[in-house]
Amino acid sequence: SAVISQKPSRDICQRGTSLTIQCQVDSQVTMMFWYRQQPGQSLTLIATANQGSEATYESGFVIDKFPISRPNLTFSTLTVSNMSPEDSSIYLCSVLAGELFFGEGSRLTVL
Amino acid sequence: EDKVVQSPLSLVVHEGDTVTLNCSYEVTNFRSLLWYKQEKKAPTFLFMLTSSGIEKKSGRLSSILDKKELSSILNITATQTGDSAIYLCAVSGNTGKLIFGQGTTLQVKP
Repeated sequence: SAVISQKPSRDICQRGTSLTIQCQVDSQVTMMFWYRQQPGQSLTLIATANQGSEATYESGFVIDKFPISRPNLTFSTLTVSNMSPEDSSIYLCSVLAGELFFGEGSRLTVL
Repeated sequence: EDKVVQSPLSLVVHEGDTVTLNCSYEVTNFRSLLWYKQEKKAPTFLFMLTSSGIEKKSGRLSSILDKKELSSILNITATQTGDSAIYLCAVSGNTGKLIFGQGTTLQVKP
């Protein structure tokens, strides 16, 4: 199993600003992912965070908008850049350790 | 394109009822199918299924995979108000990435 700490748990942000979400895992994991869940929607994979190299982004997501860092096997950050109200979502960090475990999520509201 | 479809999208039942949630999928190099329960923010893991015909059970919840039909069902017997949640089905291929369905919103009324 894996215990994932994610912060902030929630934030209210102004349009045009950027916010960085942190994800800390209690053990070393190879596969770490970032998901987004827009209001009333299911989870959509943003990217796979690769340790020591650039993240692998899914269709519709780009590095300029969602830069990701993965400095080691226990930590990753996701930045939501130049936010707009459409970015209001829950952002979830997840790791593959047998099954997929999720952090508690970061609920962002963009005004 | 890989996809996961769940049905129904929403369901309202009364305590004590039995419900069956459906999940069908199309994915390249299927590896596993997972069920999650989401009440507030983070989904919590329920089951992982990799082999056809083997039922997994946890209390009042059970699930089974049919690889021939590319589908799975999640059964909840004797439902309780605490079962009210969104139930998510997700499928992975050999990349380890999960593709999620739209979810089924279950409301259990007293």
